Amino acid sequence: EADIYQTPRYLVIGTGKKITLECSQTMGHDKMYWYQQDPGMELHLIHYSYGVNSTEKGDLSSESTVSRIRTEHFPLTLESARPSHTSQYLCASSELGTGGLAHTQYFGPGTRLTVL
Amino acid sequence: AQSVTQPDIHITVSEGASLELRCNYSYGATPYLFWYVQSPGQGLQLLLKYFSGDTLVQGIKGFEAEFKRSQSSFNLRKPSVHWSDAAEYFCAVGAAGYSTLTFGKGTMLLVSP
Repeated sequence: EADIYQTPRYLVIGTGKKITLECSQTMGHDKMYWYQQDPGMELHLIHYSYGVNSTEKGDLSSESTVSRIRTEHFPLTLESARPSHTSQYLCASSELGTGGLAHTQYFGPGTRLTVL
Repeated sequence: AQSVTQPDIHITVSEGASLELRCNYSYGATPYLFWYVQSPGQGLQLLLKYFSGDTLVQGIKGFEAEFKRSQSSFNLRKPSVHWSDAAEYFCAVGAAGYSTLTFGKGTMLLVSP
């Protein structure tokens, strides 16, 4: 079954640690996205990608970085975690193109990050 | 640029009662419209989408939404709410020429017994 996966689901880590949040999809989608969402709040787009070797910054400035070496994989990295990075991080994917299907995003279950 | 407004932050509905969640968008041409649902601690699940054609669209879990161009609205409805429908609901808009979706701030649905 085609799906989108995120690991870990929950992460508690100390300040200053380097972390990588994993996102993989088996739907063959070219476009992938990372959102940041505080509890009960709206989604903020922080990164997206059109395909391999393509990365773009989103609407919300973020200290995180992303890479896209394989179509199915879009990891997000924080070089030095801080308490202000505590949030839920959601990964999504969609087809490439300009029509409605290209705007239809499918989401992973999210990673809840807590930085102490 | 497109924008989305969900006027209600919280809505409480009795179980078995009907539901309508409001969504208004701002965009000059025909938008691509979506409703997503998010349970606590989970990602977003796509309920339904509208691209063109019939303005009344059916989705999963018994939900439907109606696109009204004259009102720039895409309200979500369900005739009889179940306790399991309690969640956060997000409306989103996309458009040709834009790379990403714009999400509303969400409406939290509470279901009372």
